[in-house]
Amino acid sequence: EADIYQTPRYLVIGTGKKITLECSQTMGHDKMYWYQQDPGMELHLIHYSYGVNSTEKGDLSSESTVSRIRTEHFPLTLESARPSHTSQYLCASSERGTLPRETQYFGPGTRLLVL
Amino acid sequence: AQKITQTQPGMFVQEKEAVTLDCTYDTSDPSYGLFWYKQPSSGEMIFLIYQGSYDQQNATEGRYSLNFQKARKSANLVISASQLGDSAMYFCAMRGGGSNYKLTFGKGTLLTVNP
Repeated sequence: EADIYQTPRYLVIGTGKKITLECSQTMGHDKMYWYQQDPGMELHLIHYSYGVNSTEKGDLSSESTVSRIRTEHFPLTLESARPSHTSQYLCASSERGTLPRETQYFGPGTRLLVL
Repeated sequence: AQKITQTQPGMFVQEKEAVTLDCTYDTSDPSYGLFWYKQPSSGEMIFLIYQGSYDQQNATEGRYSLNFQKARKSANLVISASQLGDSAMYFCAMRGGGSNYKLTFGKGTLLTVNP
């Protein structure tokens, strides 16, 4: 059972606001990920991290930024939210293991609506 | 490049019946892993089952089994004795052996279990 948490679960915010989506895991996993998912669609990787002070951009271009100062914490920030950022954001983590077996465990997600 | 195809946007099944959700994949990696996740309407992604390309037997986890046909590049999920709580989106995903982070997801299948 994975212990990965995301806050807030739902967020409605106006255009131009700065937002930070929080993601924390208590499993000591080295690797963490952020995915973006539009309703009824597949997941797209937007950021990932192999460990503290490591961050990389994923396949889908995103205006968001991330940081990894502590192993357990991987927040995502949007400096100026726009309606095009409306989506669900899913955080995941995995323990460094034997590839390709390594399993990603997901948090409950944050549903963002930008007005 | 890796690709996952789920051709069934929606499926219906009667409670207590079995159902098969289709997944075909494409990869040039000789070593790869296939995953199935369940996403209820609440939004979280729940890991269900994993199949490695070199695994000799089809994976099983409780009521979930994976019908892995390597020559056909298919990895269908079989859910036995469907329950109302199985109603959800189901995503097939894969990771190539040479990719140490990327999971490629299909577009998903919405399963509805009827009483």
